[in-house]
Amino acid sequence: DTVLTQSPALAVSPGERVSISCRASEGVNSYMHWYQQKPGQQPKLLIYKASNLASGVPARFSGSGSGTDFTLTIDPVEADDTATYFCQQSWNDPRTFGGGTKLELK
Amino acid sequence: QVTLKESGPGILQPSQTLSLTCSFSGFSLSTYGMCVGWIRQSSGKGLEWLANIWWNDDKYYNPSLKNRLTISKDTSNNQAFLKITNMDTADTATYYCARRVDYGAYYWGQGVMVTVSS
Repeated sequence: DTVLTQSPALAVSPGERVSISCRASEGVNSYMHWYQQKPGQQPKLLIYKASNLASGVPARFSGSGSGTDFTLTIDPVEADDTATYFCQQSWNDPRTFGGGTKLELK
Repeated sequence: QVTLKESGPGILQPSQTLSLTCSFSGFSLSTYGMCVGWIRQSSGKGLEWLANIWWNDDKYYNPSLKNRLTISKDTSNNQAFLKITNMDTADTATYYCARRVDYGAYYWGQGVMVTVSS
């Protein structure tokens, strides 16, 4: 299986820029997607295919990367961005998700 | 407007079969390229993709559970289904259905909690 590795947690101050990384154990082309999940809610798509902003998502969110290394950037971070962020690949079988990065605001 | 909603038993006993239904609107599973997938989330294992079913009835399963999973659809009634046999306490999770998982799933159901307990 393609293992997606994310840092467990990050803490940033509002107004700062934050980068959340996702490293794949094998290449996934550009088929990496990013989700935001708040407690008690379903995941919300932020970025699809590495760098495409999903409909209705603020331009503060951006994605980059290809192959095995991907990054979700939030700039500037706002208080409402407190959530867990997951990456997901859909290039290799089975589809897999990262363990999630919990973003906390200072 | 696209919506999806999962339904299921809530609680079942070990060794029983879980039957889940995803009722959706705003799209058709007979449309070329369309796909519905099932994903679950437990505190122990995070998000886990289970299976996809495509407009042409192609089906893909997570090999770690493949022998236990059956995905199907009823195009006429805009529903997708997932059956998981031989349920165990480790299968306790929130189960989601989502549209077009392979392209980044923009639409998800609200999820249904399933508890396996004797």
